[in-house]
Amino acid sequence: QKEVEQNSGPLSVPEGAIASLNCTYSDRGSQSFFWYRQYSGKSPELIMFIYSNGDKEDGRFTAQLNKASQYVSLLIRDSQPSDSATYLCAGLQEDAGNMLTFGGGTRLMVKP
Amino acid sequence: DAGVTQSPTHLIKTRGQHVTLRCSPISGHKSVSWYQQVLGQGPQFIFQYYEKEERGRGNFPDRFSARQFPNYSSELNVNALLLGDSALYLCASSFGANQPQHFGDGTRLSIL
Repeated sequence: QKEVEQNSGPLSVPEGAIASLNCTYSDRGSQSFFWYRQYSGKSPELIMFIYSNGDKEDGRFTAQLNKASQYVSLLIRDSQPSDSATYLCAGLQEDAGNMLTFGGGTRLMVKP
Repeated sequence: DAGVTQSPTHLIKTRGQHVTLRCSPISGHKSVSWYQQVLGQGPQFIFQYYEKEERGRGNFPDRFSARQFPNYSSELNVNALLLGDSALYLCASSFGANQPQHFGDGTRLSIL
């Protein structure tokens, strides 16, 4: 069973701080990773994707991928109360019909 | 540009009935994937269709079926509904089969 693991949280950070969300995966064949944000009662919204080892930055978000350690992370700088949501990490299994395998999500709470 | 659209938004059925859920992808996207999300969990992959052909199938029973039409829209059919089929059903579209997937708002299915 190929899995993606996340700490369910909640992760609580003060407004303006850096939030660090982590994810590990078991399938070494997965090459592409995605971070989705899901507000309560809403559908997942794609916020970042990363294919290569290293860092990828987009505004306040930085995704990090370490394929040797099978580790993916998402950093949110200058966290805002509006960032409070569940963050889902997903790996793409191209050898399984391009299936996205999701972790259970980490709930982030940003306190004013 | 319109995002992924799904219909209906909500649906209530009873055990044993069947249901058809519909999805229109983002304009220009040729791939549609279906996911089931139970409360408190990450989405689970059901199917992927690309260029009207099934490219992947998740670990769901044969009661679940889908198809993709020439205009790239898609239907998910579920027969002989069970209480455990109550969930949020998400459709995601992507330009190519292994490209980032964007989700619609989902159909919330309740089985009584």
